[in-house]
Amino acid sequence: TQLLEQSPQFLSIQEGENLTVYCNSSSVFSSLQWYRQEPGEGPVLLVTVVTGGEVKKLKRLTFQFGDARKDSSLHITAAQPGDTGLYLCAGPRAGNTGKLIFGQGTTLQVKP
Amino acid sequence: EAQVTQNPRYLITVTGKKLTVTCSQNMNHEYMSWYRQDPGLGLRQIYYSMNVEVTDKGDVPEGYKVSRKEKRNFPLILESPSPNQTSLYFCATRRGLVAYEQYFGPGTRLTVT
Repeated sequence: TQLLEQSPQFLSIQEGENLTVYCNSSSVFSSLQWYRQEPGEGPVLLVTVVTGGEVKKLKRLTFQFGDARKDSSLHITAAQPGDTGLYLCAGPRAGNTGKLIFGQGTTLQVKP
Repeated sequence: EAQVTQNPRYLITVTGKKLTVTCSQNMNHEYMSWYRQDPGLGLRQIYYSMNVEVTDKGDVPEGYKVSRKEKRNFPLILESPSPNQTSLYFCATRRGLVAYEQYFGPGTRLTVT
């Protein structure tokens, strides 16, 4: 069974701190996505990583896809209260079913 | 503006009273899904549709029905809601089967008493 495990599940930090969120699996994924979900809203796509070893940057957010395409990380530099939310990773299920697997999410709270 | 709309956003109902949650998209996307989100369980797919008149079960389809008569609309039907269907529901769309970037609606918070 393909699973995506995210860690930590919950993170509470002060404004200005750096943090890293992990998304791990024992399975290979053809791509992985990261979403952010704010309270009362639906998830919003942040990035898709496709190539092993790929690094993508979105302002203060850096996303990396593992060389073996089994894991990904999200690093936030100098976190701000506006970064608060639930971060989800997702990847396509094997077998070309078109279905996506979601991690359980990391809840980030950035305190001013 | 590209968007996915859901209605209603909040609903409190009683066991057994049929309800429909509507979902509409203006992006001409072929693939639409319904998810439920529960604490500790994450997002789980209920049903999906690859095109008009083509629907299939996701991971947790029991107690739900869907239809896809038009490309833009994908309603979720609960024929006889039960308390275990209390959840946060999201409709999502994407361009096609292998275009995995999804666009989510704002969510419908359903409480069944």
